[in-house]
Amino acid sequence: SQQGEEDPQALSIQEGENATMNCSYKTSINNLQWYRQNSGRGLVHLILIRSNEREKHSGRLRVTLDTSKKSSSLLITASRAADTASYFCATDTLHITQGGSEKLVFGKGTKLTVNP
Amino acid sequence: GAGVSQSPSNKVTEKGKDVELRCDPISGHTALYWYRQSLGQGLEFLIYFQGNSAPDKSGLPSDRFSAERTGGSVSTLTIQRTQQEDSAVYLCASSFSPRNYGYTFGSGTRLTVV
Repeated sequence: SQQGEEDPQALSIQEGENATMNCSYKTSINNLQWYRQNSGRGLVHLILIRSNEREKHSGRLRVTLDTSKKSSSLLITASRAADTASYFCATDTLHITQGGSEKLVFGKGTKLTVNP
Repeated sequence: GAGVSQSPSNKVTEKGKDVELRCDPISGHTALYWYRQSLGQGLEFLIYFQGNSAPDKSGLPSDRFSAERTGGSVSTLTIQRTQQEDSAVYLCASSFSPRNYGYTFGSGTRLTVV
């Protein structure tokens, strides 16, 4: 079953603008990760945020996590045409009785188009 | 190699035939995962190997699907008696420490069943 759900499904912006993508999930997590996918092939890991963290930065990426709302956001600042891709959130769910499953559950992704 | 390698990159097969998809993980990565992705969709978990532990097969959609991991390294995903609904991109990923570093994905095998 789907755990993470990204919003919006598609986003089109101009180069230089900021892009914000949101992810909501249902169950308690150990961590939440964001991935990027070009051309429907392999995914690239962007950033991992743990359940006890609220914000994390990596270059032009900023990720926030609100465990009370079970939501996360990915902000890409000063976007470039090369940022055009699909972005997926993935949750590492916490199974208290089993100490965690260590398998990520992915959402359906946000398709970002950055127009030059 | 430096990354996760999958072969073949593309496979077209006739309905009813068996196919084998191969994954070479990054050396030293104990965790190995198979996912599949249908057109425009998210990733569907298939199976997870971790070291010498019994694999988590909870995502395999039917008994036509099976996977092995030999010597804690190379993995093969086998689909028997392929059906058209099996058409998808099959993605393999490996990780040294999934809880801390996330996954490294291969480029996938695009399977088309005609």
